[in-house]
Amino acid sequence: EAGVTQFPSHSVIEKGQTVTLRCDPISGHDNLYWYRRVMGKEIKFLLHFVKESKQDESGMPNNRFLAERTGGTYSTLKVQPAELEDSGVYFCASSQGRGAVKNEQFFGPGTRLTVL
Amino acid sequence: AQSVTQPDIHITVSEGASLELRCNYSYGATPYLFWYVQSPGQGLQLLLKYFSGDTLVQGIKGFEAEFKRSQSSFNLRKPSVHWSDAAEYFCAVGGVRGANNLFFGTGTRLTVIP
Repeated sequence: EAGVTQFPSHSVIEKGQTVTLRCDPISGHDNLYWYRRVMGKEIKFLLHFVKESKQDESGMPNNRFLAERTGGTYSTLKVQPAELEDSGVYFCASSQGRGAVKNEQFFGPGTRLTVL
Repeated sequence: AQSVTQPDIHITVSEGASLELRCNYSYGATPYLFWYVQSPGQGLQLLLKYFSGDTLVQGIKGFEAEFKRSQSSFNLRKPSVHWSDAAEYFCAVGGVRGANNLFFGTGTRLTVIP
């Protein structure tokens, strides 16, 4: 069974440009999470989808970030326009059930975003 | 503020030596506790988790962790480290205020010397 995949693995863009990150969860996993790790800091939650609906987007930093999950399968995270402080590693995770306690979150390898 | 603290940014141990990685949390109630490992080029992999019951939990790859309520700690241990254990380790908390997401520490990078 394939794990969570993310594309691209690394993206380098200039400030002001747009970048779209993609996450393909494990097949059959209704729950999809985005997290971000800024260099040297902790991994922070961004948002949570249940199927195609945003369950919790309390971690999204500002309106330059737009996440979608059309059809409840893969998800995209768009940053427009990108700023220097958006640099970091963006992780996607998926789980079968909703609660963090009983439903293991499976993580992808992350996308490293560098904004110059 | 609520947080997860991993005080050691980087630890170096010799192969075969024992290992302990520290994790402290500051949440009101007893949270649900996790340890994840990230090897180069890989996603985070769950090593073990604690929900309730026996405070010493066993995980994969020979790791164990002990929950100590009095110290608000959940330290990860391994009696004999292998070169393949070189990776970054993250402590995390879940179920905070009923949230579905995880709260992570800053991670500890482990280097293993042959």
